[in-house]
Amino acid sequence: DAKTTQPPSMDCAEGRAANLPCNHSTISGNEYVYWYRQIHSQGPQYIIHGLKNNETNEMASLIITEDRKSSTLILPHATLRDTAVYYCIVRVRHRGSNYKLTFGKGTLLTVNP
Amino acid sequence: NAGVMQNPRHLVRRRGQEARLRCSPMKGHSHVYWYRQLPEEGLKFMVYLQKENIIDESGMPKERFSAEFPKEGPSILRIQQVVRGDSAAYFCASSPPHGTHEQYFGPGTRLTVT
Repeated sequence: DAKTTQPPSMDCAEGRAANLPCNHSTISGNEYVYWYRQIHSQGPQYIIHGLKNNETNEMASLIITEDRKSSTLILPHATLRDTAVYYCIVRVRHRGSNYKLTFGKGTLLTVNP
Repeated sequence: NAGVMQNPRHLVRRRGQEARLRCSPMKGHSHVYWYRQLPEEGLKFMVYLQKENIIDESGMPKERFSAEFPKEGPSILRIQQVVRGDSAAYFCASSPPHGTHEQYFGPGTRLTVT
């Protein structure tokens, strides 16, 4: 699996958009970008995934650069409940031995009132 | 729909005792994954199981740890002769048989070895 690099921490004001970057410069053509988050002491929660195109769901938007070497997770209107560690994970979609999720250190997003 | 359930949520064991952690996957899910999160560290994959089969246990310590997912009932992660270094949060995740990207995680079991 391609290695990812994320800033260790970020702050965001409540109600503002939170933009969380992720670098994955060694990503290969069949690897997807996944985002999960872990609110303190809880199990991780799936947020969104993408391959090439930008994606949006009810939780967030995912912007992937054209060369696929980096991506940004966007929480459009951050709330205090979005304070969590956000993990960017790159892997092949559920084939062979690549079903396991490899979590790095992630980004601790703190949403401030 | 009930999510992934784990019990107990908190487990205290003395050194040398056995710990049994249970995971009931979401309805219709036949794939189960176990992860361990040591204090102040990220989650590490331990084992991947399908019903009655261990598919990948490459992340599981070679001794004292075992996992099963029987035809009926929950998946069990068993730790024999626990040591203080086993103190961690153990998370279970599940996914349906085909065509999904995401894994759905349970709330975790926090094991404390005294």
